[in-house]
Amino acid sequence: GQQLNQSPQSMFIQEGEDVSMNCTSSSIFNTWLWYKQEPGEGPVLLIALYKAGELTSNGRLTAQFGITRKDSFLNISASIPSDVGIYFCAGRLRYGGSQGNLIFGKGTKLSVKP
Amino acid sequence: DTGVSQNPRHKITKRGQNVTFRCDPISEHNRLYWYRQTLGQGPEFLTYFQNEAQLEKSRLLSDRFSAERPKGSFSTLEIQRTEQGDSAMYLCASSSVQHEQFFGPGTRLTVL
Repeated sequence: GQQLNQSPQSMFIQEGEDVSMNCTSSSIFNTWLWYKQEPGEGPVLLIALYKAGELTSNGRLTAQFGITRKDSFLNISASIPSDVGIYFCAGRLRYGGSQGNLIFGKGTKLSVKP
Repeated sequence: DTGVSQNPRHKITKRGQNVTFRCDPISEHNRLYWYRQTLGQGPEFLTYFQNEAQLEKSRLLSDRFSAERPKGSFSTLEIQRTEQGDSAMYLCASSSVQHEQFFGPGTRLTVL
């Protein structure tokens, strides 16, 4: 089935540093989403992207929908301790499959040292 | 709007027993999804409802799994004859035409 390759798997950074993570796929997606999950909780939606080339910000978070429709990245600027968690990319396919369900990457685990 | 709620939050059961989980979506959302998440992985799609109609089921949803959304509001996910491999977090999400999928806190299932 379709897979999303998310990297890096984990990051250990100092507070105040910028963070970048990305997702790639062999399939074309018509929607890219970024979620954050904390231990014992469900994923929380951070940013949604709907157009190739779209660049969207949410506070210190910025995400882009790749021109080829096969990738997306998420940047976090000036990280703080509460940014700790697992970040997931998720995509919705353009052709075939359900119009509804999302395909998730394996996540990027972010740790921030104060 | 209290968000998506799921009950119970945790369930421990013995292999072979049946379990049922409930999801209450955001009230104005007509779409409801079930996902399963195992340790170190992202959520994997199980099934999807639009109102009361079950529109798609993943191959992950074996015949021991059944989901219902009888009145187009809350949904239940039942697993019959549980196996140790069913141990996972079961996540519910809801959405509408205007809103992307919002997830509930999940039900953590442990099969002994």
